[in-house]
Amino acid sequence: EAGVTQSPTHLIKTRGQQATLRCSPISGHTSVYWYQQALGLGLQFLLWYDEGEERNRGNFPPRFSGRQFPNYSSELNVNALELEDSALYLCASSLDVQPREQYFGPGTRLTVT
Amino acid sequence: GQNIDQPTEMTATEGAIVQINCTYQTSGFNGLFWYQQHAGEAPTFLSYNVLDGLEEKGRFSSFLSRSKGYSYLLLKELQMKDSASYLCAVSGSSASKIIFGSGTRLSIRP
Repeated sequence: EAGVTQSPTHLIKTRGQQATLRCSPISGHTSVYWYQQALGLGLQFLLWYDEGEERNRGNFPPRFSGRQFPNYSSELNVNALELEDSALYLCASSLDVQPREQYFGPGTRLTVT
Repeated sequence: GQNIDQPTEMTATEGAIVQINCTYQTSGFNGLFWYQQHAGEAPTFLSYNVLDGLEEKGRFSSFLSRSKGYSYLLLKELQMKDSASYLCAVSGSSASKIIFGSGTRLSIRP
């Protein structure tokens, strides 16, 4: 069974640009979570999608947004990139709305110059 | 507010036992997780506690006391490959939002 996949592995953007990160959950999982892990910091919850709807979001500005598609894959968009957005962005999926176990993808390393 | 505290770094000897503590303050409680994260890799799930007591899974055990807002992860028969960061995370009143601690970086010496 394939795990959570994310693309691209690495992404380099300049300040002010937009970045799009993609995630495919484990087959059968309907919930997708996005986290930001800046260097030396812990995981920060960004967004949660389930059944195509945004269920909750962390303390991030509106320029962080996303969506979930009918096949449960998800996209994270970051507009007006700032230098401090440089981080590892991790996607995780779980079987249902109760996050008993979250399975993480390998992450996308975003570098903003 | 919501807060999760765990030690920043710990060192232990191969073959020994180590206990990593985690204390939390959250609005509501819907479960506590432990994850292992090797440098440069994604976290992997270790355990989930929702009731008080000890959950054992091979060399790893996790304990929870909800009244004390306290958990620990116990690693036995340490191996060099156990060198990693261990993340404590709590699901609060909103089950959708899991709050992570900053992680404990565990170094194993021969």
